[in-house]
Amino acid sequence: DIQMTQSPSSLSASVGDRVTITCRATQGIRNNLGWYQHKSGEAPKRLIYAVSTLYSGVPSRFSGGGSGTEFTLTISSLQPEDFATYYCLQHQSFPYTFGQGSRLE
Amino acid sequence: QVQLQQWGAGLLKPSETMSLLCTVSGGSVSGFFWNWVRQPPGKGLEWIGEINPAGSADYLPSLKNRVTISVDASKNQVSLNLKSVTAADTAVYFCVRDHCPGGVCYNYWGQGTLVTVSS
Repeated sequence: DIQMTQSPSSLSASVGDRVTITCRATQGIRNNLGWYQHKSGEAPKRLIYAVSTLYSGVPSRFSGGGSGTEFTLTISSLQPEDFATYYCLQHQSFPYTFGQGSRLE
Repeated sequence: QVQLQQWGAGLLKPSETMSLLCTVSGGSVSGFFWNWVRQPPGKGLEWIGEINPAGSADYLPSLKNRVTISVDASKNQVSLNLKSVTAADTAVYFCVRDHCPGGVCYNYWGQGTLVTVSS
């Protein structure tokens, strides 16, 4: 199985900050990586697919990058609604695996 | 506007079978990739399984002998069945629809169903 390790697991930040979350895979996953935002009591919200493509309606302050086994999610200027937990998901091979989550507070 | 609606029993006893349904308003269940994801209390997201448009399914190995995902096009619904549940299966369960026509991807989530397993 491919394991996904996110860092940091939690991050304290302020409105306006630039934040980067990293996700590392135990083997290459090509571009089969997405990012999700999750707020307690809600369904997760899709942000990015294929490493760097934003889903429709996602603000441009979100961006994704990386290749091979190391990937990043960057929020260029934090907004109040961005405080949530973020997950990466690899769908290169079964079983699909999420990172453990990065809580932004 | 595509909306996914989930249905199913929220309280089960150990050894019972969990059955959850996911229906689509404003769209179809056919021709898409359907995934189920769960989140146990206080933990992260866990992928459970996927069924593809051809009807072939793959599952999390630790659940493989207990779980079934199926699509019923006639009822426009997707189902998740999990046999012999235990307290470890207590979680919020989500259905997810994915497709990428022409390389542009769309991803929709159900509202989530809290399933509690308790005697």
